[in-house]
Amino acid sequence: AQTVTQSQPEMSVQEAETVTLSCTYDTSESDYYLFWYKQPPSRQMILVIRQEAYKQQNATENRFSVNFQKAAKSFSLKISDSQLGDAAMYFCAYFGNEKLTFGTGTRLTIIP
Amino acid sequence: SAVISQKPSRDICQRGTSLTIQCQVDSQVTMMFWYRQQPGQSLTLIATANQGSEATYESGFVIDKFPISRPNLTFSTLTVSNMSPEDSSIYLCSVAWDRGYSSYNEQFFGPGTRLTVL
Repeated sequence: AQTVTQSQPEMSVQEAETVTLSCTYDTSESDYYLFWYKQPPSRQMILVIRQEAYKQQNATENRFSVNFQKAAKSFSLKISDSQLGDAAMYFCAYFGNEKLTFGTGTRLTIIP
Repeated sequence: SAVISQKPSRDICQRGTSLTIQCQVDSQVTMMFWYRQQPGQSLTLIATANQGSEATYESGFVIDKFPISRPNLTFSTLTVSNMSPEDSSIYLCSVAWDRGYSSYNEQFFGPGTRLTVL
């Protein structure tokens, strides 16, 4: 079974600074997808960014970018120019075998 | 993406009763999923709701406890039966479309239902 590990239960960053959230996963598959979801206090799960395993180029979405290291099975999320609205739980997720598996989450606090 | 709504948004229930949670999407979707998020925890897949056939349950979840219906391509319900305090969680539905290769990989979530069982 696939596992997703987020080793940072909590992180904090000064507003306007950059923060990186870590994620590692374990799989024997070669084709899969990786995601970062954001869950603010409203509970709504919001898709932040997606990476296809067959693509070497790291995905970017505005202030959000990933560092995808397939050999190391690492998938970190970098948030640049952090804003107060970025405060949330961030979940790393792996999609393979038609199933989405989530990590335990990292709570990100933005310090004004 | 799609607009996904869930009813109720929250509820407080008594032990031994049942609650049915509805998930409505504003467009037809191929797949619908139900997840549980226990307090302070991550999301765990309960089952995949298939239109016109039985739901597919994950290990640890059974139909008698979590019956699911999927009468059409825009609607699904999850019932939490014979509830106990351990069932207190957020229940989320998600939807996905068949995109061919590696289908259903991108899921969009509803706002969740916060259930408290006393």
